[in-house]
Amino acid sequence: AQSVTQPDIHITVSEGASLELRCNYSYGATPYLFWYVQSPGQGLQLLLKYFSGDTLVQGIKGFEAEFKRSQSSFNLRKPSVHWSDAAEYFCAVASKAAGNKLTFGGGTRVLVKP
Amino acid sequence: DVKVTQSSRYLVKRTGEKVFLECVQDMDHENMFWYRQDPGLGLRLIYFSYDVKMKEKGDIPEGYSVSREKKERFSLILESASTNQTSMYLCASSSHLGREGYNEQFFGPGTRLTVL
Repeated sequence: AQSVTQPDIHITVSEGASLELRCNYSYGATPYLFWYVQSPGQGLQLLLKYFSGDTLVQGIKGFEAEFKRSQSSFNLRKPSVHWSDAAEYFCAVASKAAGNKLTFGGGTRVLVKP
Repeated sequence: DVKVTQSSRYLVKRTGEKVFLECVQDMDHENMFWYRQDPGLGLRLIYFSYDVKMKEKGDIPEGYSVSREKKERFSLILESASTNQTSMYLCASSSHLGREGYNEQFFGPGTRLTVL
C-alpha cells in the first residue's frame, strides 16, 4: 500500500528566509506526487505535481519540488517566504495500482515570523 | 474555473442524528470524492464515485454512506452521527484519466462538522 510521511508537524520561518518541507513516500513503482496548500478557512489548492520527466518541478507561488527516487522523497522548497505562505501543506501520492486514489501525508503547518 | 461547493461551512449536530453533507461541482467531472481531515492525519478517503449511481469504499468508510443520483452532486451521509465523526469534511472532483494517467482533483472549501 502506498503511504506518505511528512516528518515535520510545525515549521516556523522568518519572512524572507528559505523554506524546505520534507516528504517521504512508500511505493514500489514510480508514483504520481503532489503538493497541496491549505490556507486558513480554504480548501486545498494544488501547488505542483510530478508525473515523469525532469525531477525538479516548478509550481505556483514560487514553489518548487525535487523528486529523488533513491531517497523516496519529494521535498518542497521556496527560496524566500512571504507572510502569505503561512498555511498547512500536504504532500500526496497516487498510483495506477491504487486506482489513482490520493494518499495524503499528515501535513506540515508553516508559521511565518515578521 | 472549476468550482466545487459544499452546502455548509459549519454544522453542529447531536449524537444519533442523521446528517447529510452535500457537494456540487460545475465542471461535468466524472469522479467525486469525500475525505475527512483530522490534525496530524492529513486527509483520509471515505468514499468515491466514478459515475452516477456508482460508489466505492475508500480507506475509512465505516459509519458513512454516499449517494450520487446526478453527475454533479455527491452526498455524504452519516446515518447516526457520533462524536468521533467530529471533523472537517472535504469534497473533491476530477475528470477521468488523462493522457498522463492521472487528473488533478479539485477541492471544495470543506464543512466543519461538530457532533455533540
